[in-house]
Amino acid sequence: AQSVSQHNHHVILSEAASLELGCNYSYGGTVNLFWYVQYPGQHLQLLLKYFSGDPLVKGIKGFEAEFIKSKFSFNLRKPSVQWSDTAEYFCAVRGRGNKLVFGAGTILRVKS
Amino acid sequence: DTEVTQTPKHLVMGMTNKKSLKCEQHMGHRAMYWYKQKAKKPPELMFVYSYEKLSINESVPSRFSPECPNSSLLNLHLHALQPEDSALYLCASSQLDLITYNEQFFGPGTRLTVL
Repeated sequence: AQSVSQHNHHVILSEAASLELGCNYSYGGTVNLFWYVQYPGQHLQLLLKYFSGDPLVKGIKGFEAEFIKSKFSFNLRKPSVQWSDTAEYFCAVRGRGNKLVFGAGTILRVKS
Repeated sequence: DTEVTQTPKHLVMGMTNKKSLKCEQHMGHRAMYWYKQKAKKPPELMFVYSYEKLSINESVPSRFSPECPNSSLLNLHLHALQPEDSALYLCASSQLDLITYNEQFFGPGTRLTVL
């Protein structure tokens, strides 16, 4: 069965600090990976996705993620966070039957 | 139009009530999904419809009954719910081709409270 593990449940950073959120997955098939973001009071939005090809994927709002197959990881990064990045971030893996399995989520708070 | 809309935004119901949640998309997506999200938890898949046919039921109790009347609409009929069913119910949709196969677009959700 597919599973996703996110290492940190809460992260607090100051503006301009660098961000890295960890994500490890467990799935034996072809891997499709996603990061979704949920801003306060808003719906889930796709930040970026990996299907194949270049393991370094760039998403919206300056986010990027690196797929490292040997480590079963798909960590999310941003060089310099802003107050507006305060949100909850979910890593997800596509499983059999088009099913998305989400990690527990990481709540990011950026102090201005 | 890249939106998934859901109605109502909030719903309070008793354990003997019958109610329905509605979801609509006009992106031409042929897969639609229901997820349940409890407080401080990730979304959990309930049902998947592909080409208007139920393709996945994640062992959801029968008090939840999904329906896909056409390719743009998805309903979730609720009957005899329990207080523990209180949650945010999310609808999502996606294409069904190999490239964008699983990029799911989510609606804002219906916050359900069962008394």
